Amino acid sequence: GAVVSQHPSRVICKSGTSVKIECRSLDFQATTMFWYRQFPKQSLMLMATSNEGSKATYEQGVEKDKFLINHASLTLSTLTVTSAHPEDSSFYICSARGMDGVAGELFFGEGSRLTVL
Amino acid sequence: AQSVAQPEDQVNVAEGNPLTVKCTYSVSGNPYLFWYVQYPNRGLQFLLKYITGDNLVKGSYGFEAEFNKSQTSFHLKKPSALVSDSALYFCAVRGGSGNTPLVFGKGTRLSVIA
Repeated sequence: GAVVSQHPSRVICKSGTSVKIECRSLDFQATTMFWYRQFPKQSLMLMATSNEGSKATYEQGVEKDKFLINHASLTLSTLTVTSAHPEDSSFYICSARGMDGVAGELFFGEGSRLTVL
Repeated sequence: AQSVAQPEDQVNVAEGNPLTVKCTYSVSGNPYLFWYVQYPNRGLQFLLKYITGDNLVKGSYGFEAEFNKSQTSFHLKKPSALVSDSALYFCAVRGGSGNTPLVFGKGTRLSVIA
């Protein structure tokens, strides 16, 4: 299957700083990537849909100014958590759809665990 | 609106016994259905999907799932469970049009006991 690489896998930062998480599709082009957030022992919550060359589409309740998403190329999307606070600590997972289009499964990165002190 | 229900938070099964992880869904139009598995502190791994065709879908690691349109279900099954199958399993659905994202169930934790 297709490979999605996510970096960093773990990051610890101080409150008030910004953190960038990268998501790369390694062997295919992804016009659309999805960013999810997962709280302990809970399901994945879709944060936003990242579209190459255009603005991301955010889900209701997700602050677009806090979670900046950039999809500058067909293989890279980034999520920047700005002015991070302890409540932003979570497991962030990106995904990209395979080449089968809307019928294709999503391929997921390994996730990034953010801890804000 | 799309939704997925996984009614069991936890499923326990003895090694060697058959396992079932339940999933029901609600979607407009034809559903695209998926099962994923997550190991601790890892991303999700794709197991199998139903798009069209045979109702019984076979996937990775010996798992299979049966699409039942009348019951709007897509239960995950395996004839003989392994301890290494212990993980968190997610069912997901997407309506069959447009670039809609997947909607995930809350997950079911499978514990296979030796």
